[in-house]
Amino acid sequence: NAGVMQNPRHLVRRRGQEARLRCSPMKGHSHVYWYRQLPEEGLKFMVYLQKENIIDESGMPKERFSAEFPKEGPSILRIQQVVRGDSAAYFCASSPVGGAHQETQYFGPGTRLLVL
Amino acid sequence: AQSVTQPDIHITVSEGASLELRCNYSYGATPYLFWYVQSPGQGLQLLLKYFSGDTLVQGIKGFEAEFKRSQSSFNLRKPSVHWSDAAEYFCAVGARNQGGKLIFGQGTELSVKP
Repeated sequence: NAGVMQNPRHLVRRRGQEARLRCSPMKGHSHVYWYRQLPEEGLKFMVYLQKENIIDESGMPKERFSAEFPKEGPSILRIQQVVRGDSAAYFCASSPVGGAHQETQYFGPGTRLLVL
Repeated sequence: AQSVTQPDIHITVSEGASLELRCNYSYGATPYLFWYVQSPGQGLQLLLKYFSGDTLVQGIKGFEAEFKRSQSSFNLRKPSVHWSDAAEYFCAVGARNQGGKLIFGQGTELSVKP
């Protein structure tokens, strides 16, 4: 059973460009979470999604950031008009059941975004 | 507000010595507690978790942690550290009314001296 997959592993963008980060959850998992890790910090929750639904986006910046988890295909975290402060590691996690059942979240290897 | 504190940013221990990494949380209800380990440039690997029941939980790689409600703590321990344990360790908290999100501590970087 393959783990959580993220691609690309490394992404370099210039200021003002768009960044698209992809996450394929573990087989059988229908809940996806995105976290951001700034340098020298812990992970900060961004958004929690089920297929075709955003459950909790309380950690998402109000502008330029969006996330989706379509019926088919991976979850996408999209950052428009990137700025240097967006440079960070972005981690995706998945669980078979989410919310109140608090299943364990399994993390992918992350995407390291560098904005020049 | 919910929070997780890992008081030690960096710890160095000698190989073979015992280890304890501290984690304190602030939360009104009984939390779900996790320890993850992150090697440089890698993702997070789950070491162990506490949901309910026995307050001493065993994890992978010889790690264990004890939930102490009275102290709001969930410290990670290992009796004998190996050089391969050098990594960053994160404590995290979740809860039923928190939806799916985990709140992470800032991490403790562990160095192991030969």
